[in-house]
Amino acid sequence: EVQLVESGGGLVQPGGSLRLSCAASGFTVSSNYMSWVRQAPGKGLEWVSVIYSGGSTYYADSVKGRFTISRDNSKNTLYLQMNSLRAEDTAVYYCARDFVGGLGAFDIWGQGTMVTVSS
Amino acid sequence: QSALTQPASVSGSPGQSITISCTGTSSDVGGYNYVSWYQQHPGKAPKLMIYDVSNRPSGVSNRFSGSKSGNTASLTISGLQAEDEADYYCSSYTSSSTPVFGGGTKLTVL
Repeated sequence: EVQLVESGGGLVQPGGSLRLSCAASGFTVSSNYMSWVRQAPGKGLEWVSVIYSGGSTYYADSVKGRFTISRDNSKNTLYLQMNSLRAEDTAVYYCARDFVGGLGAFDIWGQGTMVTVSS
Repeated sequence: QSALTQPASVSGSPGQSITISCTGTSSDVGGYNYVSWYQQHPGKAPKLMIYDVSNRPSGVSNRFSGSKSGNTASLTISGLQAEDEADYYCSSYTSSSTPVFGGGTKLTVL
């Protein structure tokens, strides 16, 4: 079965760090364009970051310099390292596969993991 | 990159057709034929309904269709059903080589 399963969310203080994981099954992470998308409580979707199959990475301006996307090919897993967290980073974080090659068509989504930044 | 503009809400009765608009600029919607639409029910992950402006993924009902004119894309749902009640988001590829989402539209089936 093709699926994505996120983990690693939780409560963290402002300025803290957290690493999210996204384990894939049924397809190969390294052969696809993979993104993180977040959704603040009661708000809309916001694209966060992408890693291309070739390894190039891009970030939304709101997280540039603080978040790092990466993958472990041996574990078929995507990661999002989040540093210097702010209250406005509070959201459900989804990982998603972009099946048309980085053009924003996300056909597989995880169930999401909640990140709460609060003191 | 600014979010694409969608109406906050639309509504329709069962069996009717509704259209949700998604307005951007020449740097996103108007510049590329890479507009997608997502359906999201409360507490669930988004589901891809349309990609590349008008293509439907396998398994998506043909009651859902997409189009584009200039800087505005549209999602039309025909034969409205109760289970269509959800939030809908558009997204577009941009000149920054990244995607941008719309603010979302809440569809109410009366």
